[in-house]
Amino acid sequence: AQKVTQAQTEISVVEKEDVTLDCVYETRDTTYYLFWYKQPPSGELVFLIRRNSFDEQNEISGRYSWNFQKSTSSFNFTITASQVVDSAVYFCALSERTGGFKTIFGAGTRLFVKA
Amino acid sequence: DARVTQTPRHKVTEMGQEVTMRCQPILGHNTVFWYRQTMMQGLELLAYFRNRAPLDDSGMPKDRFSAEMPDATLATLKIQPSEPRDSAVYFCASGLGWGENTEAFFGQGTRLTVV
Repeated sequence: AQKVTQAQTEISVVEKEDVTLDCVYETRDTTYYLFWYKQPPSGELVFLIRRNSFDEQNEISGRYSWNFQKSTSSFNFTITASQVVDSAVYFCALSERTGGFKTIFGAGTRLFVKA
Repeated sequence: DARVTQTPRHKVTEMGQEVTMRCQPILGHNTVFWYRQTMMQGLELLAYFRNRAPLDDSGMPKDRFSAEMPDATLATLKIQPSEPRDSAVYFCASGLGWGENTEAFFGQGTRLTVV
């Protein structure tokens, strides 16, 4: 069965600090996709990134970077030089071929960035 | 600007009443998800459709909840009769639903309060 664990419930940092959000997943499938979504105070979930199980290359997009390691079943998300606008709840998600690619979410990590 | 549209945005109803939530997926998307978000349970997948056919509704309480797609442009989630424990934000999401296009695009949600 697919499962996503985000052990960090809340993280608080000061602006300009770097912060890493952890995500550990479980799956028996060899074909799956991992995602990160952001949910700002407005409530709408915003897609940030997708990674497939065959591509372990790390990705950088501006101040965001993602580290995918199949050996530890982790897909961690780092925000460099955090800003107040980064304050949100961040969700890691998994969809696997066996489940018909239905998307299951972790519990989320609430990030507070203080000025 | 293609987006998923959910109506109503807010709904307050009395226990025992029927509630219908509607979702218009992004044109061309063949996959629709219904999620429920609460503080206690996080984001729970209730139902999942592909090409209008239900693939998985195991997360949905069958006795009172029902989900349908009357056509490709409309998905509905109905609760009858509603109970206070159904109070939550209900999200609809759509996607292309296969392979490299599995990310879900979310609507703004319907905040349901059952009193």
